[in-house]
Amino acid sequence: SAVISQKPSRDICQRGTSLTIQCQVDSQVTMMFWYRQQPGQSLTLIATANQGSEATYESGFVIDKFPISRPNLTFSTLTVSNMSPEDSSIYLCSVEDRRTGRYGYTFGSGTRLTVV
Amino acid sequence: DAKTTQPNSMESNEEEPVHLPCNHSTISGTDYIHWYRQLPSQGPEYVIHGLTSNVNNRMASLAIAEDRKSSTLILHRATLRDAAVYYCTYKAAGNKLTFGGGTRVLVKP
Repeated sequence: SAVISQKPSRDICQRGTSLTIQCQVDSQVTMMFWYRQQPGQSLTLIATANQGSEATYESGFVIDKFPISRPNLTFSTLTVSNMSPEDSSIYLCSVEDRRTGRYGYTFGSGTRLTVV
Repeated sequence: DAKTTQPNSMESNEEEPVHLPCNHSTISGTDYIHWYRQLPSQGPEYVIHGLTSNVNNRMASLAIAEDRKSSTLILHRATLRDAAVYYCTYKAAGNKLTFGGGTRVLVKP
């Protein structure tokens, strides 16, 4: 299956600052997905990132708050901007794994963000 | 968005089977049903997926109702390492996986 490297694994940030999370995949993928998991909750999709086009955001998420880059088929970044304590969550990237033919999705190990 | 309904939690004894139900009444005829599990402090992990027929792999079995409005994930012999949150889901438009609340499985020794 695809292997995803997500960095950083955790961070503690000051209110009002920004954090950029990186997601590197060991194979070329068309779409990459970014999720947020608030404490004790399920995963919520933030946006879908396609190479060469702007990301598509889900309801409740906006580009100014969560800008996404997708410079090539193996890499993406998610920035959490102007952070507040309410942004404290785990952020995960995911790809659809077509290499093995099973079409499941592979997830990164997540970035645990704490905003103080 | 894809909508699924699962019980909040289930308990099982070690070495016993676990049957995890999921309702997905709004699924279309061509959507695959996916199951993932999330161990503590980890990202979700793929378990199994299927379309119409029952499916088996080394981790679990997936039983899909004939009308496809529900499915059941079967862990044949639960171990302590199977304690996790299990999510049932399927793709929405745009190949997006959306997650419901999941079922937290507790395995008792």
